[in-house]
Amino acid sequence: RKEVEQDPGPFNVPEGATVAFNCTYSNSASQSFFWYRQDCRKEPKLLMSVYSSGNEDGRFTAQLNRASQYISLLIRDSKLSDSATYLCVVNPSGNTPLVFGKGTRLSVIA
Amino acid sequence: DTEVTQTPKHLVMGMTNKKSLKCEQHMGHRAMYWYKQKAKKPPELMFVYSYEKLSINESVPSRFSPECPNSSLLNLHLHALQPEDSALYLCASSQEQGPGFEQYFGPGTRLTVT
Repeated sequence: RKEVEQDPGPFNVPEGATVAFNCTYSNSASQSFFWYRQDCRKEPKLLMSVYSSGNEDGRFTAQLNRASQYISLLIRDSKLSDSATYLCVVNPSGNTPLVFGKGTRLSVIA
Repeated sequence: DTEVTQTPKHLVMGMTNKKSLKCEQHMGHRAMYWYKQKAKKPPELMFVYSYEKLSINESVPSRFSPECPNSSLLNLHLHALQPEDSALYLCASSQEQGPGFEQYFGPGTRLTVT
């Protein structure tokens, strides 16, 4: 089983739609979790950290399910500018490097 | 301010050249990272510096040589690269190395080896 798995997509959704991405991780001792977005030919930008209690930032909601070892990202009222690749990132433990998923590509269509 | 800067933005070099990539952050972060990213792939970690000391080397070939002159600067020295080393090289920093600390990426240097 790969360490961090994501559906590569692409997810093609109309403006205003709600879209959700899931990501599973294999190391049950993983301690911290993040969602990054990456636009084409740009650097990854931190979207949000994911906390055990779940957290929301505007139209974006992240959830963590430790029992099932998955994290999710929900985007409400999608905008054209949300089109990007969304990277699920897990920090296993200690000083172990971050583990990146391969990314889920989202295209929001007018 | 969560800014990490990198220079140059683009670099074309021959296989016999020596060049250096530079990264700077003024957030007081004590961990800095070099990543390599190929098209349609996630970033791959190359090196980690923590408190200016090399903490992780992910078995990177010796033609890549990192250097951390001070807590704000990180360099990557390149020598005798191969065409397959062409990629986007990303620098990142975090407050500390370890879980719970978010990493912030610079805009990258797009390297082409001819």
